[in-house]
Amino acid sequence: DADVTQTPRNRITKTGKRIMLECSQTKGHDRMYWYRQDPGLGLRLIYYSFDVKDINKGEISDGYSVSRQAQAKFSLSLESAIPNQTALYFCATSDLGESTDTQYFGPGTRLTVL
Amino acid sequence: AQSVTQLGSHVSVSEGALVLLRCNYSSSVPPYLFWYVQYPNQGLQLLLKYTSAATLVKGINGFEAEFKKSETSFHLTKPSAHMSDAAEYFCAVSVNTGFQKLVFGTGTRLLVSP
Repeated sequence: DADVTQTPRNRITKTGKRIMLECSQTKGHDRMYWYRQDPGLGLRLIYYSFDVKDINKGEISDGYSVSRQAQAKFSLSLESAIPNQTALYFCATSDLGESTDTQYFGPGTRLTVL
Repeated sequence: AQSVTQLGSHVSVSEGALVLLRCNYSSSVPPYLFWYVQYPNQGLQLLLKYTSAATLVKGINGFEAEFKKSETSFHLTKPSAHMSDAAEYFCAVSVNTGFQKLVFGTGTRLLVSP
């Protein structure tokens, strides 16, 4: 079984709709991250969380919100989706106790906003 | 602030040929450097990482990378390409300043022809 899972894997929605992407992990890591990937731009950090009570904005947080429901669960919400939020979204985790803080990625959610 | 430049959005090689994917970094403090691979419709998988120990780092699937401080480079190589190596490769940098924020390059797609 995968250590980091994301649901849904694919989603098509319409402009203005609220949508939630979910991430779960069984690695026991305390840190979790949301990234978006766009062709030619690499991955950009949206939000990150060091633990349930510690949530921080990344470089492109506008239009997004997150919720850390438990150590193992980190959700990303688009309150009112717009077409330029069409992208591939990745969740990642890392372990505070691992000195290099290597990040481990989920399989991604492909989101299309029409 | 740290940054990463990957030269060449696409690299084409023949099966059995040398693979060389270029990565140059910018960092004001000693960096940690990573190579991730993304196979089609999958998440990012860690190939290898440099964490200030040995400058020549060996990773999975026969890949290796050499940290060259004088050239600020961390190029990825493999002596003999396989068809299964066709994927997108991302170089990333982080610094040991508490939070290991990863900064990704824009990626290089490796194409392997028979």
